[in-house]
Amino acid sequence: DVLMTQTPVSLPVSLGGQVSISCRSSQSLVHSDGNTYLHWYLQKPGQSPQLLIYRVSNRFSGVPDRFSGSGSGTDFTLKISRVEPEDLGVYYCLQSTHFPYTFGAGTKLELK
Amino acid sequence: AVQLVESGGGLVQPKESLKISCAASGFTFSNAAMYWVRQAPGKGLEWVARIRTKPNNYATYYADSVKGRFTISRDDSKSMVYLQMDNLKTEDTAMYYCTAGGSSPDYWGQGVMVTVSS
Repeated sequence: DVLMTQTPVSLPVSLGGQVSISCRSSQSLVHSDGNTYLHWYLQKPGQSPQLLIYRVSNRFSGVPDRFSGSGSGTDFTLKISRVEPEDLGVYYCLQSTHFPYTFGAGTKLELK
Repeated sequence: AVQLVESGGGLVQPKESLKISCAASGFTFSNAAMYWVRQAPGKGLEWVARIRTKPNNYATYYADSVKGRFTISRDDSKSMVYLQMDNLKTEDTAMYYCTAGGSSPDYWGQGVMVTVSS
């Protein structure tokens, strides 16, 4: 199975600040069709997860441009600029290139 | 708006069976891959199963932890997806989320709780 390593586990932030979350995979996430199926989700407290970024760098419908994704191969990053209160929660990366699909363990974004 | 509403959760004993359902609306159900993702209390997310569309022969895929015990199915005429869970184990206790999308779970339901305990 593909191991997804997310860092850091916890990320204290000040409102208005900028943060980055890393997600590294144990093997390349480039699919045979040429696409890279690496996605980012946010789970706010008490809520279901919501899709933020799909296929590395594409913002999902309604996601503000403060969120951006980048990376390739095995190394991926989610950046959040101008952090707002509604950005707090747990962020997960997911790979859907290889079966079984696997999530990272999560990064908790919390106020300093 | 896209809506996914899960139902059928509850408390069951180990080795028993349970079938949970998900009613979908607000999108063309027959064109969407459907997924189940679960989250044990206080833990992270775990992908459970995926079912593709009719043109893809309704192909199904499972996590190793549930293969041979769980069966995902869909009824495009009713916009429903199901998860039949047999031989349940205590470690299957979790919130089960129904999700819809293409190559990724894009839309998520609110989840249904399944508790396996004697």
